Amino acid sequence: QAVVTQEPSLTVSPGGTVTLTCGSSTGAVTSGHWPYWFQQKPGQGPRTLIYDTSNKHSWTPARFSGSLLGGKAALTLSGAQPEDEADYYCLLSYSGAPYVFGTGTKLTVL
Amino acid sequence: QVQLQESGPGLVKPSETLSLTCTVSGGSVSSANYYWAWIRQPPGKGLDWIGYIFAGSTNYNPSLKSRVSISVDTYNNQFSLNLRSVTAADTAVYYCLRSHGAFWGPGILVTVSS
Repeated sequence: QAVVTQEPSLTVSPGGTVTLTCGSSTGAVTSGHWPYWFQQKPGQGPRTLIYDTSNKHSWTPARFSGSLLGGKAALTLSGAQPEDEADYYCLLSYSGAPYVFGTGTKLTVL
Repeated sequence: QVQLQESGPGLVKPSETLSLTCTVSGGSVSSANYYWAWIRQPPGKGLDWIGYIFAGSTNYNPSLKSRVSISVDTYNNQFSLNLRSVTAADTAVYYCLRSHGAFWGPGILVTVSS
């Protein structure tokens, strides 16, 4: 089974910009992996921010965006707010195989 | 908009079978357009993909494949998870999810303990 890696932790200043990445042990991440991004705050369930690489839900703040960057899936937060402090997970689809979650990134806004 | 809700016992004894149900509203589990999936999260740890059912076919995490089954009940618009021979390592919050936008249920904590 593939291994999906994320930065264990990142720190961003309020109002700043940060990019979280999601890489695959099998090679470059493409749109065919249908990348998802989830946000999870302490004591809460995950919330979907991004699906199919870059699509947003109605509840996704405009400051979040998804893309492919340097062979990885990327989640960019522009104009970080204190309420964005959370754990972030990506999820990749592998054709004919189970989906695999990333290891998660703990984002601190400080 | 689709909504999902997990239900089942919150406490299961070791070696027994964990059985959970996800009730779907605002959409049909018989739709061939979506995956219906189960995910779990042990306390203090990351998310773990258990498996999904899609158009009658299933696909499971290799680490759980020998113990897990997912099925659909179209009459009640539900899908279910069975995990056999549980141990304390199966203690987790269990979530159900629909693909294509990834809509989650709120989750249910299942503790494996005698």
